[in-house]
Amino acid sequence: KQEVTQIPAALSVPEGENLVLNCSFTDSAIYNLQWFRQDPGKGLTSLLLIQSSQREQTSGRLNASLDKSSGRSTLYIAASQPGDSATYLCAVRPWEGNTPLVFGKGTRLSVIA
Amino acid sequence: DTEVTQTPKHLVMGMTNKKSLKCEQHMGHRAMYWYKQKAKKPPELMFVYSYEKLSINESVPSRFSPECPNSSLLNLHLHALQPEDSALYLCASSQRWGRANEKLFFGSGTQLSVL
Repeated sequence: KQEVTQIPAALSVPEGENLVLNCSFTDSAIYNLQWFRQDPGKGLTSLLLIQSSQREQTSGRLNASLDKSSGRSTLYIAASQPGDSATYLCAVRPWEGNTPLVFGKGTRLSVIA
Repeated sequence: DTEVTQTPKHLVMGMTNKKSLKCEQHMGHRAMYWYKQKAKKPPELMFVYSYEKLSINESVPSRFSPECPNSSLLNLHLHALQPEDSALYLCASSQRWGRANEKLFFGSGTQLSVL
């Protein structure tokens, strides 16, 4: 059974720092991996989707990498801002057909001005 | 329009009440989802509808009754809930269910409190 782990559970950094969030998964048979952002009491916003054949995806100050063989993904945030404060969730879509996303528990990020 | 709209945003109900949560999208998506999320936990899938037909029910108690009246609307009917059902209920949609690289679009959720 696929399990997704995110470390650390919480992270606090000063504004302007570059930071890395980690995600690991137990079964490398995946279709894709997605990173979501969630503000308190709100829904999820999809940030980046990396297909299993890809190594990375970039959007603005965000860069996500995928190493399927080792079961790892990282989300790199450059020049962090207080507006980046949120919970970041990693989710994988298993290879089996019609199988729902498997979510990690998230990393709660605080960027201090 | 890339939005999934959920109403109401907040709901307080007693254990004997009947209420409904509503979700709407106009992106032409044919897959719609209900998720339940407790505080500081990841979302848990409840139901998946594909082309207005129920495709997945993740062993959800019958006090939660989903309905998909058309391709743009998804309802969740609530009856005789328990206090432990208090949570954020999220609706999501995607173009098709089961496609390998589907992106999910989530609504802002309904924060439900059961007294």
